[in-house]
Amino acid sequence: AQSVAQPEDQVNVAEGNPLTVKCTYSVSGNPYLFWYVQYPNRGLQFLLKYITGDNLVKGSYGFEAEFNKSQTSFHLKKPSALVSDSALYFCAVREAGATNKLIFGTGTLLAVQP
Amino acid sequence: GAGVSQTPSNKVTEKGKYVELRCDPISGHTALYWYRQSLGQGPEFLIYFQGTGAADDSGLPNDRFFAVRPEGSVSTLKIQRTERGDSAVYLCASSPTSGGADTQYFGPGTRLTVL
Repeated sequence: AQSVAQPEDQVNVAEGNPLTVKCTYSVSGNPYLFWYVQYPNRGLQFLLKYITGDNLVKGSYGFEAEFNKSQTSFHLKKPSALVSDSALYFCAVREAGATNKLIFGTGTLLAVQP
Repeated sequence: GAGVSQTPSNKVTEKGKYVELRCDPISGHTALYWYRQSLGQGPEFLIYFQGTGAADDSGLPNDRFFAVRPEGSVSTLKIQRTERGDSAVYLCASSPTSGGADTQYFGPGTRLTVL
């Protein structure tokens, strides 16, 4: 069965510092991996995805994520956090060729202090 | 361009009532998805349409839930005999095709409260 784990309910970081939001996954075959961000009372906004190819994926708003097959991880990173990055972040996976539905983690609340 | 839209944004109903939630996907997107997000949780898959047909309805929790997409564009999620446990945010998403690599773009959601 497919699953996603986001081990941290909340991540706190000071503005200007680098941030990492962790995600690990479990699928039987090859994964397609996604990161979404959710601001209060709004829907999910797509940030980036890994399908194949280069393990380092760059996305919107300066975010990037690194696919690590051996560790089954897809951590979200940003070199310098902004207060406006404060939001709820969701990692999601779908198994290539198996299903079209996304399996989401429980989310990580990112709080960037000024 | 216009994104995915959902109406109403909020719906309050009484236990046992029938509700309909509407989703307008991005123009030209052939795949449409419904998810449900409970408080403090990630979205959970309900059903997915490719064109007019439901390609996967394995996430519908029981037979009180039903969804249609009669013309391959707008979709309606229907819930009969609502229960308090149905209270959640219902999210709709669409993608250009049903290809696995396609990004799903989400609407703002409908917050359903069952009293």
